[in-house]
Amino acid sequence: DQQVKQNSPSLSVQEGRISILNCDYTNSMFDYFLWYKKYPAEGPTFLISISSIKDKNEDGRFTVFLNKSAKHLSLHIVPSQPGDSAVYFCAARGTSYDKVIFGPGTSLSVIP
Amino acid sequence: GAGVSQSPSNKVTEKGKDVELRCDPISGHTALYWYRQRLGQGLEFLIYFQGNSAPDKSGLPSDRFSAERTGESVSTLTIQRTQQEDSAVYLCASSPIRGGNEKLFFGSGTQLSVL
Repeated sequence: DQQVKQNSPSLSVQEGRISILNCDYTNSMFDYFLWYKKYPAEGPTFLISISSIKDKNEDGRFTVFLNKSAKHLSLHIVPSQPGDSAVYFCAARGTSYDKVIFGPGTSLSVIP
Repeated sequence: GAGVSQSPSNKVTEKGKDVELRCDPISGHTALYWYRQRLGQGLEFLIYFQGNSAPDKSGLPSDRFSAERTGESVSTLTIQRTQQEDSAVYLCASSPIRGGNEKLFFGSGTQLSVL
């Protein structure tokens, strides 16, 4: 039973436009959420995170929005660049000492 | 070392053989995770070590899989009697877990191919 869902396996966006990657979760106890980016043959690298006490967190071109009532979060990348082409994983955790659960990932292609 | 180190980077084995994968976490990181990524799939949680607490083994797919961790350092993931469906990238991650919201740092993974 998947607790973290990313229902779009892939997404294609023109360079310079906005990329929006979505993530849904089922466990209402999750209180910390992370986004990771993964290139082929490399380990995932951390992008941005958000705590459940916030509804938005911004870092440069990356913004994460959290809607707790809908159990939904999204990652916005503006403007998208070809180097952003990668697989993006959404992840969630309950308390500070809980394990981190990852979603299945969304493959983003940014077209020059 | 500066980051999470995993060895070997690639492992090819025959069906039925045992394999041992190693992870060296970042020094001082109390939490250590193992994940698996099969071809075209997401990151599947396997096991989680947190300090001196009993490990969370809820993600191990069968009793052929086991993992150990020595204190807060090296961890080994052992797969006995490997099967072709065990072929995947096995990723290790560590985290400081100082009671706040800490991120995970991943190694580059071990690509396991079972022939």
